[in-house]
Amino acid sequence: SAVISQKPSRDICQRGTSLTIQCQVDSQVTMMFWYRQQPGQSLTLIATANQGSEATYESGFVIDKFPISRPNLTFSTLTVSNMSPEDSSIYLCSVMVGVGYGYTFGSGTRLTVV
Amino acid sequence: QKEVEQNSGPLSVPEGAIASLNCTYSDRGSQSFFWYRQYSGKSPELIMSIYSNGDKEDGRFTAQLNKASQYVSLLIRDSQPSDSATYLCAVSGPTFGRGTSLIVHP
Repeated sequence: SAVISQKPSRDICQRGTSLTIQCQVDSQVTMMFWYRQQPGQSLTLIATANQGSEATYESGFVIDKFPISRPNLTFSTLTVSNMSPEDSSIYLCSVMVGVGYGYTFGSGTRLTVV
Repeated sequence: QKEVEQNSGPLSVPEGAIASLNCTYSDRGSQSFFWYRQYSGKSPELIMSIYSNGDKEDGRFTAQLNKASQYVSLLIRDSQPSDSATYLCAVSGPTFGRGTSLIVHP
């Protein structure tokens, strides 16, 4: 399975600012997934990032708020823009490296907006 | 809208017992099914994947799939306190359930 390095691990940010989260994978993967997990809740898919094309966003998530970059097959960033306290959550990136391996997750970014 | 349903629990079992976790899904065309374990403050980790009807065993864990009933389950034999965590069911897509909290008490 893949190893994903995600950073920052946590941050406290002022409302109205932006935070960029990075994920680096130790192997080339076609798709990377970005999730949000609010306290006590399950994982909500924000978007799927494909290299060389625009990310595909799920209902309720828009590019202006969560711009994603995918410059190559091992790296992606998610930016949380114009943050409000409602954006306080854990953000996770994930990849699937092949059938039978399921999805591997980064260690997560715990974001607190004050 | 694809949905994956799980009882949020908590499911409390004594040490050494069998813990049974259940999951139903809405998309009849789903082909891949996964169980993840998530400890508090940690990211999910894959413990089982299953693709065909029937049972799949791995150590103390058994995943069961019934596509006709759109039902997936996870059995944990000889439950240990270290198994206490939230167990997430996931279906190809990927779509995750809300998770079932398992508490194994000594």
